[in-house]
This record gives sequence, C-alpha cells and structure tokens, in this order.
Amino acid sequence: EVQLVESGGGLVKPGGSLKLSCAASGFTFSDYYMYWVRQTPEKRLEWVATISDGGSYTYYPDSVKGRFTISRDNAKNNLYLQMSSLKSEDTAMYYCARDRDYDYWGQGTLVTVSA
Amino acid sequence: EILLTQSPAIIAASPGEKVTITCSASSSVSYMNWYQQKPGSSPKIWIYGISNLASGVPARFSGSGSGTSFSFTINSMEAEDVATYYCQQRSSYPPTFGGGTKLEIK
Repeated sequence: EVQLVESGGGLVKPGGSLKLSCAASGFTFSDYYMYWVRQTPEKRLEWVATISDGGSYTYYPDSVKGRFTISRDNAKNNLYLQMSSLKSEDTAMYYCARDRDYDYWGQGTLVTVSA
Repeated sequence: EILLTQSPAIIAASPGEKVTITCSASSSVSYMNWYQQKPGSSPKIWIYGISNLASGVPARFSGSGSGTSFSFTINSMEAEDVATYYCQQRSSYPPTFGGGTKLEIK
C-alpha cells in the first residue's frame, strides 16, 4: 500500500525557516518524480516544487524560487522541503504527492506563518 | 501561467440528477486532471488525461474536452459524491489548478 506521511509543520514567524519531511513507503521511491503541493486557507491548491527521480533536477514556481529547496534521500525513502524567508502568504497545508498526476497524496502538514 | 476557471463555484444536486462542472483554460491545454477532495481529507486523483478514470472511480463519472474547454460529469448523483472537485492542467509549467467546485446534495 502506497503511503506518504508528512511531518515538520508548525507555527513560525515571518522571515523564519522550517523543514518539512515526507516519508514514503509501499512503492519504489527512487522510480518516481515527487512533488510538494500546498492548499491555502482559502482552499486554493498551488504547486510548490518538483524533484526528479534521481534528485538531479528541481523546479519551482516564481512565488517560492530562491526561498524553498526540495530534496530527497532515496536510500531513506524521504522527501524534504526546506523553507526559508517565510511569508504570511506561505501559510497553508503542505502535501507531498507522487508522480506527474499526483496519484497519491499524504495527509498534509500545516504551516502557519504569523508574528 | 495558464489560468483555470471552474464553474459553477457551488452546485447542489438531487440524488439521481446529472451534474456537469466546467473548467475553462486561458490557453490551450492537452492534459487535464480532476481531483476529488472531501472535508478533512487530502485531494485524490479522480480523472486523469482528460477522460481516464482513476482506479476505483465509479463509472458514473466522466471527463471530456479539448483545447480550452473541459467538463466533468456525474451521470447520476449519489450522496457519496459530495465533495469539492478541482481541475488541474500539467500541459505547461507551472502546473495550475482551478479554484474548485463544491458539490452538495439537495
């Protein structure tokens, strides 16, 4: 059974940093591109980051480029999202998702950016 | 960036009624997905590649469209279909989502 379990969310002040993790199981993690997608309090869904199966290629929207870094450890079946210079508009539920069609999602981890 | 506009934003249907949601793209796309999200849960892939049902999705659901106009249809509404449905394109970067359509039951 495919499982994705996010962790690491919490309350952080504007300008602060946070690192999210996603533990994957039930499939060959190293075979898949992985993604982070967030859902704002208004329920809008936004793509946040992509990483290739081997980890060599990463992609970001302009809204987080230079502030967020996606990475992975294929030996540990873990996906990460390092977030820095956080802004109030980064407040959202963060999900990790598998493959280009986001065919599996985790349960999400909540990030709140507030003073 | 391709903008996706869903309509209606909210729709209420009676059991057995046909439901259609539309997704309009600001530029032509060739690959459209639909996701179902129930309250308190993560989104789930429901339809991929315009018209392909994800595993376990009942046959009363269907997707169609091309270019800038796409639709999502439930042939016969059931209580378990109450959810918010989102369209998403991945034809061009960045991948983008529609604003969602909340489906309620009368």
